[in-house]
Amino acid sequence: DSGVTQTPKHLITATGQRVTLRCSPRSGDLSVYWYQQSLDQGLQFLIHYYNGEERAKGNILERFSAQQFPDLHSELNLSSLELGDSALYFCASSATLLGPPRAETQYFGPGTRLLVL
Amino acid sequence: DAKTTQPPSMDCAEGRAANLPCNHSTISGNEYVYWYRQIHSQGPQYIIHGLKNNETNEMASLIITEDRKSSTLILPHATLRDTAVYYCIVRAFYSSASKIIFGSGTRLSIRP
Repeated sequence: DSGVTQTPKHLITATGQRVTLRCSPRSGDLSVYWYQQSLDQGLQFLIHYYNGEERAKGNILERFSAQQFPDLHSELNLSSLELGDSALYFCASSATLLGPPRAETQYFGPGTRLLVL
Repeated sequence: DAKTTQPPSMDCAEGRAANLPCNHSTISGNEYVYWYRQIHSQGPQYIIHGLKNNETNEMASLIITEDRKSSTLILPHATLRDTAVYYCIVRAFYSSASKIIFGSGTRLSIRP
């Protein structure tokens, strides 16, 4: 158990709909990362939040957005869903230490499996 | 971050040591070698990381060659539960680049 929790575990919805995925980081971790894993793309970085602020963006579609709340949990919002958005969505967290920016170890949650029909 | 090369698949007998190689010939001085694994659609699990010295923890050992151009992850007594895709990743430690770039990894099968 990594200490990172994600809800829901499974989500089935229809094209055009909007869903929200939730992530709670490990206790004390300030950074949350979102990744998407589809069958043909492998694990792809989407976005990184640190202490409520967006830090880095990856291959995240404009239909997708995220935020991190004061209690440090994060939500990934996916809208106007398409069939190709069906994938596993993972969040990870890390403890961002004081000092120069560094690549801390990321700990992953169990993921949310999204199926768009 | 430097690119890594891993064999697409390997197998190992249960109870034996599983040795997973990784080539990272373009690694630079401030880059660490990280290993993660993913067991059948579960979240990637951190295993170990190292800079230049060999490292060992409760899960595995990491052997990095002296020139740092390759490394080997060793699972000392493989069990069926070690069947997974293993990712070797090189990351600059002092970097604001926060993402992990996952390659294709090595699919390790443990046979009874």
